[in-house]
Amino acid sequence: AQKITQTQPGMFVQEKEAVTLDCTYDTSDPSYGLFWYKQPSSGEMIFLIYQGSYDQQNATEGRYSLNFQKARKSANLVISASQLGDSAMYFCAMRASGNTPLVFGKGTRLSVIA
Amino acid sequence: EPEVTQTPSHQVTQMGQEVILRCVPISNHLYFYWYRQILGQKVEFLVSFYNNEISEKSEIFDDQFSVERPDGSNFTLKIRSTKLEDSAMYFCASSSEGVSNQPQHFGDGTRLSIL
Repeated sequence: AQKITQTQPGMFVQEKEAVTLDCTYDTSDPSYGLFWYKQPSSGEMIFLIYQGSYDQQNATEGRYSLNFQKARKSANLVISASQLGDSAMYFCAMRASGNTPLVFGKGTRLSVIA
Repeated sequence: EPEVTQTPSHQVTQMGQEVILRCVPISNHLYFYWYRQILGQKVEFLVSFYNNEISEKSEIFDDQFSVERPDGSNFTLKIRSTKLEDSAMYFCASSSEGVSNQPQHFGDGTRLSIL
């Protein structure tokens, strides 16, 4: 079974600063995918970034990057140059090989301060 | 950009009533999912669906729940006799392939309130 742990219930960051949201995972499957989703107060789930277990390089997508440390089983999300619109819940999720469901962490609420 | 569409956005139902939540997945996607999120809690998997049958379901997905793909575009979740604890946000998701490197794209959700 897969497990995702997000230890930061809430984070604050100053506008234009970078912030790291922590995520650790546990799985016995050698092939898996790691995902980050953003959930604004309006409730929708927005896919941000993906990292595969066999990817050699850290994923990047605009201002989002994923700090993937396989030996430590961590997949932290880094948001650079924070904007007020980044204020939201952020969920780390993983999916093992095959048509398996996403397993989510409890989320981190990010608040960007002007 | 194609998106997953869910209707209604908000459903209020009396306890014991049946409710049907509707989803239109992205058109070329073949794998469909329902998740729920009780207020303030994490997102939980309910069921996955492929090739007109359930692929996997969680413990939450008991006999009160059913899914259907009645035509080529819609994917529905039915709750037969709703309970207070069914109050949650229900998300439909779809993906193009059932492999670990494909993201699941979520709809905006249906907020279900049971009175």
